[in-house]
Amino acid sequence: NAGVTQTPKFRILKIGQSMTLQCAQDMNHNYMYWYRQDPGMGLKLIYYSVGAGITDKGEVPNGYNVSRSTTEDFPLRLELAAPSQTSVYFCASSYSRQETGQPQHFGDGTRLSIL
Amino acid sequence: KNQVEQSPQSLIILEGKNCTLQCNYTVSPFSNLRWYKQDTGRGPVSLTIMTFSENTKSNGRYTATLDADTKQSSLHITASQLSDSASYICVVSNDYKLSFGAGTTVTVRA
Repeated sequence: NAGVTQTPKFRILKIGQSMTLQCAQDMNHNYMYWYRQDPGMGLKLIYYSVGAGITDKGEVPNGYNVSRSTTEDFPLRLELAAPSQTSVYFCASSYSRQETGQPQHFGDGTRLSIL
Repeated sequence: KNQVEQSPQSLIILEGKNCTLQCNYTVSPFSNLRWYKQDTGRGPVSLTIMTFSENTKSNGRYTATLDADTKQSSLHITASQLSDSASYICVVSNDYKLSFGAGTTVTVRA
């Protein structure tokens, strides 16, 4: 049971570089989410998707972009990496809208450092 | 502003002992409250989800309580094990947004 798979697990970037964080789920969930987790803070929603071809901004979308071409994949793109984007990034999925009581399934995260 | 405050920030307990974690929230209107367990280097895993009408919910040695009137929840861990060492995150929903607490880090020592 793979669940939600995130790659890479770790990455160090230089300021101004770009990269894509990959996320894939095999549970046929329509809803997918990207969060960032900073030390001592609660998770913050970056972007979410309610199905293939549909994405929307969360609380902290600046500096990020997403796409959802298939039900399974939901990549997160950083175009011009900045030190403020140093964080742990989590992808999650759920069968229906997360706010209505459906449990979310999280990946194990990508630890990203911008130097 | 919707907020979720957890206490204590961290705690250390001896294996076999019980402990209780607290969650106070100002989220309104209230839809549901969930507790997650996050092992070091892993993603959060759902322990319980409670709606307005549920006062208590258990998952093995984990028991969550909810007082929607005072906007408080607690997570009780019974007979702690070394594998309970983790961060425990309280999350409150107002039906269109989730608000995450910063978590309580529990360390269980032999």
